[in-house]
Amino acid sequence: AQTVTQSQPEMSVQEAETVTLSCTYDTSESDYYLFWYKQPPSRQMILVIRQEAYKQQNATENRFSVNFQKAAKSFSLKISDSQLGDAAMYFCAYRSRVGADGLTFGKGTHLIIQP
Amino acid sequence: NAGVTQTPKFQVLKTGQSMTLQCAQDMNHNSMYWYRQDPGMGLRLIYYSASEGTTDKGEVPNGYNVSRLNKREFSLRLESAAPSQTSVYFCASSEQWNTEAFFGQGTRLTVV
Repeated sequence: AQTVTQSQPEMSVQEAETVTLSCTYDTSESDYYLFWYKQPPSRQMILVIRQEAYKQQNATENRFSVNFQKAAKSFSLKISDSQLGDAAMYFCAYRSRVGADGLTFGKGTHLIIQP
Repeated sequence: NAGVTQTPKFQVLKTGQSMTLQCAQDMNHNSMYWYRQDPGMGLRLIYYSASEGTTDKGEVPNGYNVSRLNKREFSLRLESAAPSQTSVYFCASSEQWNTEAFFGQGTRLTVV
């Protein structure tokens, strides 16, 4: 079974600065997908970014980018130019390329943006 | 564009009562999922349905049953609610195994 670990229960960053959220995972598979989801106080789960394991290039979506280190099984999220609207819980998630049994989530990191 | 719709959004039950959480998606997705979210635990998979007519247990299935009524609808039933089932429940759907999941707004359930 796969496991996903987010070692930072809470992070704080000044508005306009850059913050990195950590995620590590454990799997014996070589092909899989990784995701970062954002959950604001509204409770809605919003996809931030996704990464295919077979792609070496790190995914980027506007101010959000990842550092995917396959050998180290590490998948960190970098948020540049942090904005007040970025305040939320962030969940790292793993999905196997085989089967349809859904996502395995980490426990989440609560991101606080200081104005 | 409704996406994934869950009802109800909030519910309070007494121990031993039963209820069904409803979920419907309008994206023609094959796969549907039920997760629960507890403080400090992330989201954990209760049951999933890879396609219409099939259901399988996830990580925490005890105390729950599901029905994949048709391609659009996937319901979660608590036959005899317990305080340990107090949680936020999310329904999700996806087109294929290699795409992201789309989530409903969640149901906050309290069992007293």
